[in-house]
Amino acid sequence: DAKTTQPTSMDCAEGRAANLPCNHSTISGNEYVYWYRQIHSQGPQYIIHGLKNNETNEMASLIITEDRKSSTLILPHATLRDTAVYYCIVRPRDNAGNMLTFGGGTRLMVKP
Amino acid sequence: GAGVSQSPRYKVAKRGQDVALRCDPISGHVSLFWYQQALGQGPEFLTYFQNEAQLDKSGLPSDRFFAERPEGSVSTLKIQRTQQEDSAVYLCASSLPGGVGYTFGSGTRLTVV
Repeated sequence: DAKTTQPTSMDCAEGRAANLPCNHSTISGNEYVYWYRQIHSQGPQYIIHGLKNNETNEMASLIITEDRKSSTLILPHATLRDTAVYYCIVRPRDNAGNMLTFGGGTRLMVKP
Repeated sequence: GAGVSQSPRYKVAKRGQDVALRCDPISGHVSLFWYQQALGQGPEFLTYFQNEAQLDKSGLPSDRFFAERPEGSVSTLKIQRTQQEDSAVYLCASSLPGGVGYTFGSGTRLTVV
């Protein structure tokens, strides 16, 4: 799986948009970008994934650059409950046996 | 159940003791994964089951670690002769075949003293 690079930590004011970047310059054509987050004392939680088009769901938006070498996860109106470690992962989609390879992630602190 | 259930939530073991950690996946989820998460780090893959078949155990750190899923539902991760370096949170995840996102349990925090 391609390697990802994320900032170690970020702060965001409550109510503002949180933009979390991820670099994945070695991503291959069949690899998707996945985002998970892990709130303290819980297991990771799936947020969103995409291949090359921008994606949006009830939790977040995912913006992938045209060359697919980087992406940004956007939480449009961050709340205190969004404080967590956010992991960007690239992997092929269509293989049920594909494990997730987690890096260090970005520790997002949402402040009042 | 509604989610992946893991038990116990916390386990303290004396060095050299054997432990067994249980994972109850979501009903119908054929894929099941175990991960190990050391303090301050991301989870690391241990092993993968598809139904009762253990298809990948490349992440198990030593032969003291053993996992099983005999009936294709509940899984047990067993650690024999625990060492201090085994102290970590052990996470279980499950998914449908070809599932997009995995559902994780809250984990078992193992402390070896």
